[in-house]
Amino acid sequence: DAKTTQPPSMDCAEGRAANLPCNHSTISGNEYVYWYRQIHSQGPQYIIHGLKNNETNEMASLIITEDRKSSTLILPHATLRDTAVYYCIVRASSNTGKLIFGQGTTLQVKP
Amino acid sequence: DAGVIQSPRHEVTEMGQEVTLRCKPISGHNSLFWYRQTMMRGLELLIYFNNNVPIDDSGMPEDRFSAKMPNASFSTLKIQPSEPRDSAVYFCASSLSGGTYEQYFGPGTRLTVT
Repeated sequence: DAKTTQPPSMDCAEGRAANLPCNHSTISGNEYVYWYRQIHSQGPQYIIHGLKNNETNEMASLIITEDRKSSTLILPHATLRDTAVYYCIVRASSNTGKLIFGQGTTLQVKP
Repeated sequence: DAGVIQSPRHEVTEMGQEVTLRCKPISGHNSLFWYRQTMMRGLELLIYFNNNVPIDDSGMPEDRFSAKMPNASFSTLKIQPSEPRDSAVYFCASSLSGGTYEQYFGPGTRLTVT
């Protein structure tokens, strides 16, 4: 599975959009981009995933560049409860489930 | 749905003792994963099962660790004998198998070995 690179930390003002970048320049054609987050003292939580098209759900939007070498997770209106570590993971659809977590980005939402 | 259930939530034990962590996956899920999280190493996969069969145990640190899944609704992770360096938060996760299904994580068991 391809390796990902994320900034170690980011700040965001409450109510503003949080844009979390992820680089995955060695991604293969059959690999999906997944985002999970981990709020302090809780288990990781699935947010969204995509292959090549942009995706949106009730939690966030995922924007994947045309060459698929990078992506951005967007939380449209960040709240204090969105303060967490956000993990970007790439995984092949043929992989039976193994997720390899990096260090992630610690997002601090400030009032 | 109750989600993934783990017990105990906290465990404090002395070095050399046996420790058993328990996990009940979400009903209907046929893949189960055990992860360990420490400050030094982050979140790492120990082992995962598909249809109760261990598929990849390459993350299990050593022979002191063993995992079983006797049926679709129960799994254990055992450490015998435990050591202080095993202190960590252990997470269990489950998912449907194959494709792109997401994993659902339990609340974790915080293990402290003194």
